[in-house]
Amino acid sequence: QQQVKQSPQSLIVQKGGISIINCAYENTAFDYFPWYQQFPGKGPALLIAIRPDVSEKKEGRFTISFNKSAKQFSLHIMDSQPGDSATYFCAALRANYGGSQGNLIFGKGTKLSVKP
Amino acid sequence: DTGVSQDPRHKITKRGQNVTFRCDPISEHNRLYWYRQTLGQGPEFLTYFQNEAQLEKSRLLSDRFSAERPKGSFSTLEIQRTEQGDSAMYLCASSQASTGELFFGEGSRLTVL
Repeated sequence: QQQVKQSPQSLIVQKGGISIINCAYENTAFDYFPWYQQFPGKGPALLIAIRPDVSEKKEGRFTISFNKSAKQFSLHIMDSQPGDSATYFCAALRANYGGSQGNLIFGKGTKLSVKP
Repeated sequence: DTGVSQDPRHKITKRGQNVTFRCDPISEHNRLYWYRQTLGQGPEFLTYFQNEAQLEKSRLLSDRFSAERPKGSFSTLEIQRTEQGDSAMYLCASSQASTGELFFGEGSRLTVL
């Protein structure tokens, strides 16, 4: 059972355009939603994260939009650059599992290519 | 370098052999996680430790897999009697228990021939 569904699988955007990646989750116990960026041969690196008490978080060119009622969240990359070409993963963390944080559940990833 | 360190970065082995991976977390982090990632997929949770206690194990962690964190610092992941299906990137991450922010290492890529 896939608890975090991510789309699209791949995305091609022109330089300067907006990249949008979507995720949907099922478990209402999730309370932390990060996005990770991964370059080939490297481990995932935290990009930006949000908790469900806010609907949007912006850091530089990266914005997370969160819709708690729809159980969906998305990553927007403004002014996309060739250096943003990477695989992006959404994830969700189960809250207070036995009194402490549990483990991250990842989506399957979106391969972003930004064309010059 | 104060990030998460993994060793070896790449291991090629023959089916049936045992392999061991080591992870050195960020020193002030009390949580340590092991994930597995196959090509084109997201990381899949295997197990995690808080200090030296192994708090959770995934169903993916068959009895051929064992992980330890004996002194609450570095951790090892051993795979016995490797199978071709074990070929994957094994990722280690660490965090503070009070946050959800995981810091990943660069991974150990296992190829089973």
